[in-house]
Amino acid sequence: DTEVTQTPKHLVMGMTNKKSLKCEQHMGHRAMYWYKQKAKKPPELMFVYSYEKLSINESVPSRFSPECPNSSLLNLHLHALQPEDSALYLCASSQESSSAPFSYNSPLHFGNGTRLTVT
Amino acid sequence: GQQVMQIPQYQHVQEGEDFTTYCNSSTTLSNIQWYKQRPGGHPVFLIQLVKSGEVKKQKRLTFQFGEAKKNSSLHITATQTTDVGTYFCAGREGGGADGLTFGKGTHLIIQP
Repeated sequence: DTEVTQTPKHLVMGMTNKKSLKCEQHMGHRAMYWYKQKAKKPPELMFVYSYEKLSINESVPSRFSPECPNSSLLNLHLHALQPEDSALYLCASSQESSSAPFSYNSPLHFGNGTRLTVT
Repeated sequence: GQQVMQIPQYQHVQEGEDFTTYCNSSTTLSNIQWYKQRPGGHPVFLIQLVKSGEVKKQKRLTFQFGEAKKNSSLHITATQTTDVGTYFCAGREGGGADGLTFGKGTHLIIQP
């Protein structure tokens, strides 16, 4: 079992749909991440939030829109996706030190992921 | 940018044999982390190495960090079927402001 909860577990959407992925953690972690993982590939970093502010955006297309409503929640809004966006989307959190800027050296706690299929 | 190379990509072993995966970075790392991902699962943190030349053990798993902090290895003694999965190293460049860079992973397949 993981302490990072992601919903839904599976999602099938058409290219014209709008959907959202949700992530929640109650470990008091102040850094939260979205990763994309294709089959048999490593996780690829998409976004990092530290103290609810977007700190890293790895040149992700605008059809992916992250949101951090509070320190426990992280959303990823999806709109007009392409079939090649089908992948496992992983949320993670980490316990960073209280000093800024974050060093991002702490271990990542991953959720179970949302398996997304775009048709 | 930083690159983290990991070999081998696939490793088939007989149950009971040893297994090693190697990680090499193009730049000096501030630390290296190892993760295991079971088939159909999510990456799970195993260990973090920070010091030059550091060696850590977890039961049958031995982790090493090179003296120059550019390479690392994970060695499993006497593999068991529960060791099946993909092992990823992940490192962060010392002094950098980016997140972790994952290696491509080593897929461990165990034949009973």
